[in-house]
Amino acid sequence: KQEVTQIPAALSVPEGENLVLNCSFTDSAIYNLQWFRQDPGKGLTSLLLIQSSQREQTSGRLNASLDKSSGRSTLYIAASQPGDSATYLCASPVSNFGNEKLTFGTGTRLTIIP
Amino acid sequence: DTGVSQNPRHKITKRGQNVTFRCDPISEHNRLYWYRQTLGQGPEFLTYFQNEAQLEKSRLLSDRFSAERPKGSFSTLEIQRTEQGDSAMYLCASSLSEGGVGIQYFGAGTRLSVL
Repeated sequence: KQEVTQIPAALSVPEGENLVLNCSFTDSAIYNLQWFRQDPGKGLTSLLLIQSSQREQTSGRLNASLDKSSGRSTLYIAASQPGDSATYLCASPVSNFGNEKLTFGTGTRLTIIP
Repeated sequence: DTGVSQNPRHKITKRGQNVTFRCDPISEHNRLYWYRQTLGQGPEFLTYFQNEAQLEKSRLLSDRFSAERPKGSFSTLEIQRTEQGDSAMYLCASSLSEGGVGIQYFGAGTRLSVL
């Protein structure tokens, strides 16, 4: 059974700083790992998806890495802005006869201090 | 808007009442998922459809919950005899999977409050 952990649960960073969010998973036989952003009371916005054959993916100021051997993924945010404040969730699909249900971590609540 | 649509966005009900939520997936997406998210937690899988067939249900989905996806298009999630513990955000996602692992696109969710 895949278990996904995100530590810390909350993080506050001054505006302009670079930061790293962590995600750990127990089953290294993953298909992919996805990072989401969730604003308070809202749904999930997909940020980046890393396939199991990839080591990293980049989109703008975001860079996600995947290390299957250590069971870890990181989301790097460069030059943080107040608009980056949100909860960030990582998730991995558990494929069972085509059912790609996602197993989520509990998220890291990020606050960027102006 | 061609994204996943969920209605209503908010629902307040009294304990014991029945509620129904609707999810309209992205057109032509063959897979549809329901998740439940409580405060401070990540979403948890509830159930999954491939076209109109409901192929898996989580143990979280008690017999008071029922989901349908008639004709493989929109889906409904009904909760009968609601309890305060049902208060949560209910999220719907859809994906197009043709042999591989598809990316799930999420709706904005329906927030249920049971008084």
